[in-house]
Amino acid sequence: GQSLEQPSEVTAVEGAIVQINCTYQTSGFYGLSWYQQHDGGAPTFLSYNALDGLEETGRFSSFLSRSDSYGYLLLQELQMKDSASYFCAVTSGTYKYIFGTGTRLKVLA
Amino acid sequence: DTGVSQDPRHKITKRGQNVTFRCDPISEHNRLYWYRQTLGQGPEFLTYFQNEAQLEKSRLLSDRFSAERPKGSFSTLEIQRTEQGDSAMYLCASSLGDAQETQYFGPGTRLLVL
Repeated sequence: GQSLEQPSEVTAVEGAIVQINCTYQTSGFYGLSWYQQHDGGAPTFLSYNALDGLEETGRFSSFLSRSDSYGYLLLQELQMKDSASYFCAVTSGTYKYIFGTGTRLKVLA
Repeated sequence: DTGVSQDPRHKITKRGQNVTFRCDPISEHNRLYWYRQTLGQGPEFLTYFQNEAQLEKSRLLSDRFSAERPKGSFSTLEIQRTEQGDSAMYLCASSLGDAQETQYFGPGTRLLVL
């Protein structure tokens, strides 16, 4: 079967750094993506990793280890507006996303 | 606003009725996806199109669900004989079909079956 595991909830204070982990088990693997979703909103793309290593986009970075079937999203200089759900998603041979159950991030003032 | 639009945004229906949702993707995107999302869960894949061809349909999807993309542009998702378990957010996404496969999601249609 195919599955992705993420922590259900993470809490951090403004200005802090937080890491959201994702482990996956899939048949076929093209890449790992991260999406942000605010309550009532649609998922929006944050980052994508197809190869091992770190990808940096502003305050957000994403890491992938294909051999460990593991990745993480790193959010730096947290802001209140970062309070949202974060989903990792795997693309396999058929291009569709398999999403994790999501991590709800609460940023406290 | 990602450029993907969905209509209607909200739909309330009675059990047993048929409903149809529309998705207009970003114009140059050749791939179009439908997902379903319930509270506290990640989006669940339903089906996807490459241009007008429906290339994959989830095994979780019953025969009551059908989707079309007649001219390779907009798409419709129809649910026949709705059940209370169909209540969810229905999300549409489109992509260019490049290697990165970034998908752009519409705002969704929230369905409530009474």
